Amino acid sequence: QLVLTQSPSASASLGASVKLTCTLSSGHSSYAIAWYQQQPEKGPRYLMKLNSDGSDIKGDGIPDRFSGSSSGAERYLTISSLQSEDEADYYCQTWDTGFWVFGGGTKVTVL
Amino acid sequence: EVQLLESGGGLVQPGGSLRLSCAASGFIFGNYAMTWVRQAPGKGLEWVSSISGSGDGTYYADSVKGRFTISRDNSKSTLYLQVSSLRAEDTAVYYCAKERIIRQWPHIYSDYWGQGTLVTVSS
Repeated sequence: QLVLTQSPSASASLGASVKLTCTLSSGHSSYAIAWYQQQPEKGPRYLMKLNSDGSDIKGDGIPDRFSGSSSGAERYLTISSLQSEDEADYYCQTWDTGFWVFGGGTKVTVL
Repeated sequence: EVQLLESGGGLVQPGGSLRLSCAASGFIFGNYAMTWVRQAPGKGLEWVSSISGSGDGTYYADSVKGRFTISRDNSKSTLYLQVSSLRAEDTAVYYCAKERIIRQWPHIYSDYWGQGTLVTVSS
């Protein structure tokens, strides 16, 4: 069964970095994912598609502070130089033929 | 500039129906698959349904299969979701989302999302 697992919360200080993890279920370590940011009361915003080799395709206007990386079944999103507007929920998403799967989301708090 | 604007949500009784719309602009609508995703209050994102650019291919989540129908009118650049036999657990904000890759089917991920329309199912 295709499942994505995310930690419920993460926090870091203003100007620091935070690394979010999205873990693919067993047998699915080659899958690509997409990362989305959702600020309060807004629709999701596409950040990047992240492949198993760590290569990524960023969305329009996404700052270089957002970067992705991969290791085995883990997909990471690193946010550097944290700003107050980065406080949001972050979701990973993957797909198989005919359906999508979302992770449960990680709430990032900027201290 | 790509824009997606959902409408049609509201308060409906259990067992009732609504038609949600998503008006698209800023891209050639018929070239892209589209998807509906919902979010229950305080919860995460849940995929609902996807449709190919031509409209001849569709997929549904098991939770809505047989009750919801996705469709599109490419001449009007509009996506629809007919929601029927509504249950309390269908209460959510419904978002439409555009596939990033031209002529990609099935829809794999989205580069633009709307702001959502709220459906509340309650007596």
